[in-house]
Amino acid sequence: SQTIHQWPATLVQPVGSPLSLECTVEGTSNPNLYWYRQAAGRGLQLLFYSVGIGQISSEVPQNLSASRPQDRQFILSSKKLLLSDSGFYLCAWSVLGQYNQPQHFGDGTRLSIL
Amino acid sequence: DQQVKQNSPSLSVQEGRISILNCDYTNSMFDYFLWYKKYPAEGPTFLISISSIKDKNEDGRFTVFLNKSAKHLSLHIVPSQPGDSAVYFCAATRGGAQKLVFGQGTRLTINP
Repeated sequence: SQTIHQWPATLVQPVGSPLSLECTVEGTSNPNLYWYRQAAGRGLQLLFYSVGIGQISSEVPQNLSASRPQDRQFILSSKKLLLSDSGFYLCAWSVLGQYNQPQHFGDGTRLSIL
Repeated sequence: DQQVKQNSPSLSVQEGRISILNCDYTNSMFDYFLWYKKYPAEGPTFLISISSIKDKNEDGRFTVFLNKSAKHLSLHIVPSQPGDSAVYFCAATRGGAQKLVFGQGTRLTINP
């Protein structure tokens, strides 16, 4: 069966520090991969998605970037964190190329910026 | 522009009764709709979905209804159980794009 792993589960970072969140998927090949953010009291906002290695689409201009160095690895990064980057970050995957398939989420990373 | 809206931030239902969660959307191009359930400090878990060619989909205690003319979908949970207490998100996408647009969520509380 497929599983998705995100780490760390919780992270506290000072303003201006760099960020790297990692997500890996097991049990499937060539997945679509996604990064979402949930700000306090709000729904999930799509940040980035990827349909293959090195292929990244950005949905919202911001202080963050994403990379996909391997088929089942998706990384969210920032060079300098802002207070507004605080939130709950979720990675998700779905089956590539199949119509009407749900996305499956990891357990998320709670990021607090001080 | 909030394309998917859940106008009730919270809902409280007695155990054993029916829970009805509602969701409205504005984009008529959406053709696939999903419901997710989320516990605190966990990622959302996929519950049930419906394609725009249908108006109802059922899976055990969960049924999703789609009213395309009203651009409205609802999730019915019967009977409601304490373990159903969670935040429920509806989501929509179009054209197999897989880019989900989420509502703000509704916190469901099941009271014993």
